[in-house]
Amino acid sequence: DTGVSQDPRHKITKRGQNVTFRCDPISEHNRLYWYRQTLGQGPEFLTYFQNEAQLEKSRLLSDRFSAERPKGSFSTLEIQRTEQGDSAMYLCASSKAQAGGLRYTFGSGTRLTVV
Amino acid sequence: KQEVTQIPAALSVPEGENLVLNCSFTDSAIYNLQWFRQDPGKGLTSLLLIQSSQREQTSGRLNASLDKSSGRSTLYIAASQPGDSATYLCAYDAGGTSYGKLTFGQGTILTVHP
Repeated sequence: DTGVSQDPRHKITKRGQNVTFRCDPISEHNRLYWYRQTLGQGPEFLTYFQNEAQLEKSRLLSDRFSAERPKGSFSTLEIQRTEQGDSAMYLCASSKAQAGGLRYTFGSGTRLTVV
Repeated sequence: KQEVTQIPAALSVPEGENLVLNCSFTDSAIYNLQWFRQDPGKGLTSLLLIQSSQREQTSGRLNASLDKSSGRSTLYIAASQPGDSATYLCAYDAGGTSYGKLTFGQGTILTVHP
């Protein structure tokens, strides 16, 4: 178990550029989540996958955001035409079932700065 | 719309103190509530999970309680240590069609001084 890996750790981009983040979950976890966290706030849910199926998308995700999880393995989150308001930490998590609920493992996040 | 509120927003204590962090939520129909720890610039580490049918969970110096009817949870940290310094977040899973989707509070920033 090597944990959840996210790449890159940091990304600085100019407004209007496209960016793509990658998340590698724990291999036996079938659920994968994306959250966004701004300074001083808790994470906000963006979307999640069960295997390769994207089951829910938050209203926070505008049409500039797209996420994929081909073959139910790693996932990518793409932001097109970035805006300064997209600056945040993007967290990925995967989960497995346990008694009473799901046990989550979070990655260290990708910090996006749009200048 | 704030669905989970954590009080206090920040807390600074000397080493050795026992302390209580509070979490209140508006949706009493929760499936479970979890407490996480976040170190600066890092992801979240799961600490405790309390099922809706349970009143409390303990792990080492940590004890979390849940009162679903009043929409409150507390995290009790005994004999605090400088290594406990972090942001503590509570989050609930509403279950049902939202099973697995966590709604977080804004966190309590804890600083424990040596």
